[in-house]
Amino acid sequence: EAQVTQNPRYLITVTGKKLTVTCSQNMNHEYMSWYRQDPGLGLRQIYYSMNVEVTDKGDVPEGYKVSRKEKRNFPLILESPSPNQTSLYFCASRRDYPTGELFFGEGSRLTVL
Amino acid sequence: KNQVEQSPQSLIILEGKNCTLQCNYTVSPFSNLRWYKQDTGRGPVSLTIMTFSENTKSNGRYTATLDADTKQSSLHITASQLSDSASYICVVSTYNAGNMLTFGGGTRLMVKP
Repeated sequence: EAQVTQNPRYLITVTGKKLTVTCSQNMNHEYMSWYRQDPGLGLRQIYYSMNVEVTDKGDVPEGYKVSRKEKRNFPLILESPSPNQTSLYFCASRRDYPTGELFFGEGSRLTVL
Repeated sequence: KNQVEQSPQSLIILEGKNCTLQCNYTVSPFSNLRWYKQDTGRGPVSLTIMTFSENTKSNGRYTATLDADTKQSSLHITASQLSDSASYICVVSTYNAGNMLTFGGGTRLMVKP
């Protein structure tokens, strides 16, 4: 089954404790991206990757890092989480540029205390 | 600046009734427009895609329209069902390299019995 898998789905952590949210897709898509969704603000792009070893900042990259060492994986790293990073995070991938449909993961709800 | 505005922000209708959601955009150069449905706590799922030359596209009870001249799109839901309760997000793509997607803030629809 074609899917985008994120882990963990839920996480409560404390300020400053590094964490990684993994994202994996099995559709051989070149394009992958991360979004955060906050009430009243909609989906905002954090980082995206057009292909392996190619990443770029989205609209809200501060406090986040990513890497794209393999085509299928695109982890999101929070080196020193802060409470303002409490949010619902989505990973997505797509094949065709620019018309391809975005396939989203199920989301990762992160709470930083 | 590329922008996508959706209205209304929220809507409550009775089961079986029709409704129309609006999307206005200022994205340029325009490539395509997609409507996504997002159930609470889940990742968005694509409903329709429309390119510049298309002005109507249907997917079951969902019909999207596009007026490229006025830069407006609408999503019409016919004979609503309880399962239509969700957020509907308008996403516009450009041909520019890099950050190619602009998201609307979404319309939250609640269908009541």
